[in-house]
Amino acid sequence: GAVVSQHPSWVICKSGTSVKIECRSLDFQATTMFWYRQFPKQSLMLMATSNEGSKATYEQGVEKDKFLINHASLTLSTLTVTSAHPEDSSFYICSAVAGGPLMVFGPGTRLTVL
Amino acid sequence: GDSVTQMEGPVTLSEEAFLTINCTYTATGYPSLFWYVQYPGEGLQLLLKATKADDKGSNKGFEATYRKETTSFHLEKGSVQVSDSAVYFCALSDLNGSASKIIFGSGTRLSIRP
Repeated sequence: GAVVSQHPSWVICKSGTSVKIECRSLDFQATTMFWYRQFPKQSLMLMATSNEGSKATYEQGVEKDKFLINHASLTLSTLTVTSAHPEDSSFYICSAVAGGPLMVFGPGTRLTVL
Repeated sequence: GDSVTQMEGPVTLSEEAFLTINCTYTATGYPSLFWYVQYPGEGLQLLLKATKADDKGSNKGFEATYRKETTSFHLEKGSVQVSDSAVYFCALSDLNGSASKIIFGSGTRLSIRP
């Protein structure tokens, strides 16, 4: 079946540094991918829609200059958290449409900012 | 805008008990409805889905029926097992068959006692 991978699965960084998270569709092409953020014991909140070959669409309240999204190819989208701070610590999850209304989710990346 | 409201947890049941997790939605169009499950330490997995009114989604003994008249998609299982312990998310997708974002409910944590 369709699989989405994320790398890294967890990362710890110092405050003020930038962190890049990769999201790949392994056996299908995805013109659109989505990035979510999940706080502990809470639901997933959509951050942005990543479109191959064009700019990402950000949800209200999400800083596009802080969360840079690049959809470089039909199988890869990256999320860069710039100048990370402890409040950016969270679980980041990507997803991609694998046909029809079927959405496949990646396993998530846990970011801890010290 | 579109939204999903689901039963707050945590829910604790004994093994072989009957499970119901309520979910209602608000949508302007005709969304597809989903239940996703997140097992401890794992990513989000699609449990079941329904794409139109009166459809019944089912998987692993779980069922949910798309009720347009009550805008509900309650999750049920006749006899739960310890392995069903997880967080369950009700969700909707607002554009059937197209790449679209998924809106999640707040999640319900289910714990099953042996």
